[in-house]
Amino acid sequence: DAKTTQPTSMDCAEGRAANLPCNHSTISGNEYVYWYRQIHSQGPQYIIHGLKNNETNEMASLIITEDRKSSTLILPHATLRDTAVYYCIVRARMDSSYKLIFGSGTRLLVRP
Amino acid sequence: EADIYQTPRYLVIGTGKKITLECSQTMGHDKMYWYQQDPGMELHLIHYSYGVNSTEKGDLSSESTVSRIRTEHFPLTLESARPSHTSQYLCASSGVSGGVTDTQYFGPGTRLTVL
Repeated sequence: DAKTTQPTSMDCAEGRAANLPCNHSTISGNEYVYWYRQIHSQGPQYIIHGLKNNETNEMASLIITEDRKSSTLILPHATLRDTAVYYCIVRARMDSSYKLIFGSGTRLLVRP
Repeated sequence: EADIYQTPRYLVIGTGKKITLECSQTMGHDKMYWYQQDPGMELHLIHYSYGVNSTEKGDLSSESTVSRIRTEHFPLTLESARPSHTSQYLCASSGVSGGVTDTQYFGPGTRLTVL
């Protein structure tokens, strides 16, 4: 199973972009990168996922390097409500489905 | 996005009691999952199901059991609760949507405390 490496913690100012890096150097060609976040130990919230191309949705953008060994989650205008633990996950094959292997994530603090 | 519900949200119970944690989803997802998360720690998969009458054990050994009699329902049962079962239990579901498969969506979780 491909592992991911993330900074333990980061902070950014409210209104500024938050850029959360993730290394996944052992990722294989058909494995997706997923990002979730967890606020106050609530259920993890799906943010975005990607395979090769950069992706954008209403929550965030995902930039994946050409060699796919790292990615960056971008929250373009961080708000206080974006304070959470952010998990970068390489989805692992499990029989006829997939499993998510959660690491310890990056604790993002958005400062007023 | 999936609508997935868990009840109760919080449960405090004495040792030896039998408990069932409920999980339901309204998106018709065929796959459902249970994760366990101790405070401040990582999530670990304890059970999953590919569909009705299918249940499998996950990566983390658990004394709990699960059943899948209906597509939308995936309850977790502890026959005799112990303090070591104190944890947060998170349910998730996934299915095929728009050609991209198996994005998991999580419920709000049940925080269990066994005294």
